[in-house]
Amino acid sequence: GAVVSQHPSWVICKSGTSVKIECRSLDFQATTMFWYRQFPKQSLMLMATSNEGSKATYEQGVEKDKFLINHASLTLSTLTVTSAHPEDSSFYICSARGLAGETQYFGPGTRLLVL
Amino acid sequence: TQLLEQSPQFLSIQEGENLTVYCNSSSVFSSLQWYRQEPGEGPVLLVTVVTGGEVKKLKRLTFQFGDARKDSSLHITAAQPGDTGLYLCAGARGNTGKLIFGQGTTLQVKP
Repeated sequence: GAVVSQHPSWVICKSGTSVKIECRSLDFQATTMFWYRQFPKQSLMLMATSNEGSKATYEQGVEKDKFLINHASLTLSTLTVTSAHPEDSSFYICSARGLAGETQYFGPGTRLLVL
Repeated sequence: TQLLEQSPQFLSIQEGENLTVYCNSSSVFSSLQWYRQEPGEGPVLLVTVVTGGEVKKLKRLTFQFGDARKDSSLHITAAQPGDTGLYLCAGARGNTGKLIFGQGTTLQVKP
């Protein structure tokens, strides 16, 4: 149980385009999902907290107009990187927390490369 | 300011050796989680510790939560090449669900 999926697993796009990444909890309902980015050989950096039916809460230094987050249902959150640039290239990982408990279950990540 | 200090950040050992990874903080956490991450994949939860002084074992891995719930350790006995990976500790505070991650420990076990 507690499986989280992400789609796509990797994406290459041209500078200036927008990219949408989906995060789904497959076998449980997630009231809260989290979005992280990770640079090579570094730890995870929290970008934002996504709550179902409400606006996302962004961490300091994360541009909310650039990283649009939508949490439309208890099993789906999306992250859209708008007008992507090469510096946005990274490994984006989502996690989901169930209705009870503090454990977060992570998705497999999405590798984004902006040319 | 790094709220959760993880050490060592890099560790290269021979198969069969023992090792310990530490996570330390001046803050109290309601729970602490340990993850292992393979390159190109998401972190996989190993264990969650909640009670101060708690010890949990997962085969050759032993996890301990400090009495004051400010620190934790991961001990691996007789490490194997399959243990190679990035180990991450993460502490939870309050009811926001946010996790504060340590810097990670890259472990390489040589055959």
